[in-house]
Amino acid sequence: NAGVTQTPKFQVLKTGQSMTLQCAQDMNHNSMYWYRQDPGMGLRLIYYSASEGTTDKGEVPNGYNVSRLNKREFSLRLESAAPSQTSVYFCASSSVQWGTEAFFGQGTRLTVV
Amino acid sequence: RKEVEQDPGPFNVPEGATVAFNCTYSNSASQSFFWYRQDCRKEPKLLMSVYSSGNEDGRFTAQLNRASQYISLLIRDSKLSDSATYLCVVTVYSSASKIIFGSGTRLSIRP
Repeated sequence: NAGVTQTPKFQVLKTGQSMTLQCAQDMNHNSMYWYRQDPGMGLRLIYYSASEGTTDKGEVPNGYNVSRLNKREFSLRLESAAPSQTSVYFCASSSVQWGTEAFFGQGTRLTVV
Repeated sequence: RKEVEQDPGPFNVPEGATVAFNCTYSNSASQSFFWYRQDCRKEPKLLMSVYSSGNEDGRFTAQLNRASQYISLLIRDSKLSDSATYLCVVTVYSSASKIIFGSGTRLSIRP
């Protein structure tokens, strides 16, 4: 049981480049989330998807887009990367309707130079 | 005002001490509550759920006060391995349910 899988684990981008972070879960969860965590800071919610076909903005959505491709997959896209987007990105999933915990991927460490 | 607020710490306590963390949440629609632990440069992992009646797991005790919108975590007989960041987590059920994390409290246990 893989749980939540994120790719890539590390990435270096130049300012202005684009990229997509991939996330997949095999736990049949309805809800999926993208967070960013800056050094010494807590997790901030970027976007979330309460169910397949729906997405909503979180606390810090600017500069990002998301796609809930199907129940398993939730991707995060940076269209034009900026140094301020240097961070660790975590994907998570949960069956929120049943009050269960959120499970996290191992994170993507992104540096924008 | 943040939806979930925690004292950022850091807490620096000797091994064997008892330490308590507090957390407040602002959304009265919040329905599920958790404490997560995050080690340096790793993903957060569930430490324990928090129930209205209070619950205990070994050296860890969690309490929830819905009237005051307050959550606590007590660690007794702390170990060096308890050094980590502890995150208070609240789930809000609405038209679009979501999970909100506090910014975390850093704990460092010294020998």
